Amino acid sequence: SQQGEEDPQALSIQEGENATMNCSYKTSINNLQWYRQNSGRGLVHLILIRSNEREKHSGRLRVTLDTSKKSSSLLITASRAADTASYFCATVRTGANNLFFGTGTRLTVIP
Amino acid sequence: GAVVSQHPSWVICKSGTSVKIECRSLDFQATTMFWYRQFPKQSLMLMATSNEGSKATYEQGVEKDKFLINHASLTLSTLTVTSAHPEDSSFYICSARPLAGGGNGELFFGEGSRLTVL
Repeated sequence: SQQGEEDPQALSIQEGENATMNCSYKTSINNLQWYRQNSGRGLVHLILIRSNEREKHSGRLRVTLDTSKKSSSLLITASRAADTASYFCATVRTGANNLFFGTGTRLTVIP
Repeated sequence: GAVVSQHPSWVICKSGTSVKIECRSLDFQATTMFWYRQFPKQSLMLMATSNEGSKATYEQGVEKDKFLINHASLTLSTLTVTSAHPEDSSFYICSARPLAGGGNGELFFGEGSRLTVL
């Protein structure tokens, strides 16, 4: 990818379980964002975490950021079938204003 | 929330023809719009940054003469795929960042345009 890698590439869980996706990036960043994409559709912004933040919550989402390791994680708690989608991390590099995406994780939540 | 409209949502064309894709921010102004390309089951690759009133900034490896970008107003950017070939078949997605609120914030994405070149 232009910026980083995500793992796992694909994740399949049962409804109600938690889903954790990890993202690693390569350069220093201004912020890191997570997006969701349903198949064949555009992307929807989920959450933004700034480089000076370590953890952020939004509803069932929890994002962590470790700038020393250049990594982030997205946790979706109590997953639902409707959470089935691809999830991408994206970074804004320091001094830049464009967004570079990771490789994505395809999440399948089985009802 | 902010809405970005992308048109057409899908297009099929013959090899050698040109195709224009429009990206409009419907309820906000955007000095900067971004064009991405996405292959099946892959990530989004930034192609270029479209700046209102000036030339687009292309990423390394993206042909400027192949992918013409015009950002004529604060609400409209267009991507023209010139002399399209089958290898140009892809999902093209635009995004925009609202003028208000400063830079580096979230982007709002269009629904994408699926181009198939026969």
